[in-house]
Amino acid sequence: TQLLEQSPQFLSIQEGENLTVYCNSSSVFSSLQWYRQEPGEGPVLLVTVVTGGEVKKLKRLTFQFGDARKDSSLHITAAQPGDTGLYLCAGLSGAGGTSYGKLTFGQGTILTVHP
Amino acid sequence: NAGVTQTPKFRILKIGQSMTLQCAQDMNHNYMYWYRQDPGMGLKLIYYSVGAGITDKGEVPNGYNVSRSTTEDFPLRLELAAPSQTSVYFCASRLRQGTDTQYFGPGTRLTVL
Repeated sequence: TQLLEQSPQFLSIQEGENLTVYCNSSSVFSSLQWYRQEPGEGPVLLVTVVTGGEVKKLKRLTFQFGDARKDSSLHITAAQPGDTGLYLCAGLSGAGGTSYGKLTFGQGTILTVHP
Repeated sequence: NAGVTQTPKFRILKIGQSMTLQCAQDMNHNYMYWYRQDPGMGLKLIYYSVGAGITDKGEVPNGYNVSRSTTEDFPLRLELAAPSQTSVYFCASRLRQGTDTQYFGPGTRLTVL
């Protein structure tokens, strides 16, 4: 069974601070996705990283996929209250048609940004 | 498009009762999934389907059943509900495999007492 360890589990910061969320595994994933979930709603995809070492930016959010494709990080610069939510990483294993899109999720990081 | 819809939004069951969680998508997606989310545990895959008439088990299938008679609908059946099935259930769909976006429904919060 593949596992994704996400840390920290909880993060409470002030507006304007920077933060990093980590997602680690002993298994190799063909790609890794980051989702954001609001209370009472389903997760919404933020980004997919596919290539080892890949870096993607989405406004103030920077996502990185580890060289060995076993880990990933999400960095938020100058956090705002609107960034508050649950952040989930999810790994997709198996190339081509072998995975059927099945995702392995980390436990999630609950981020609270105080004004 | 309504996307992925789920009913009901909330439900309370007594131990031993049965129920069906409904899921529908109007995006003509081939792949559909059922996940459960427990507090602090992330999402775990219960069952998935790669097309009408084709279903397979995920990580935590015990106590659940699914069917996929049409492309649009993917109901999840709970037989003999147990307190361990108290959770939030999410249905999701994607057009095809690979890195395509997986779209999630709003969830069904189920409590078994």
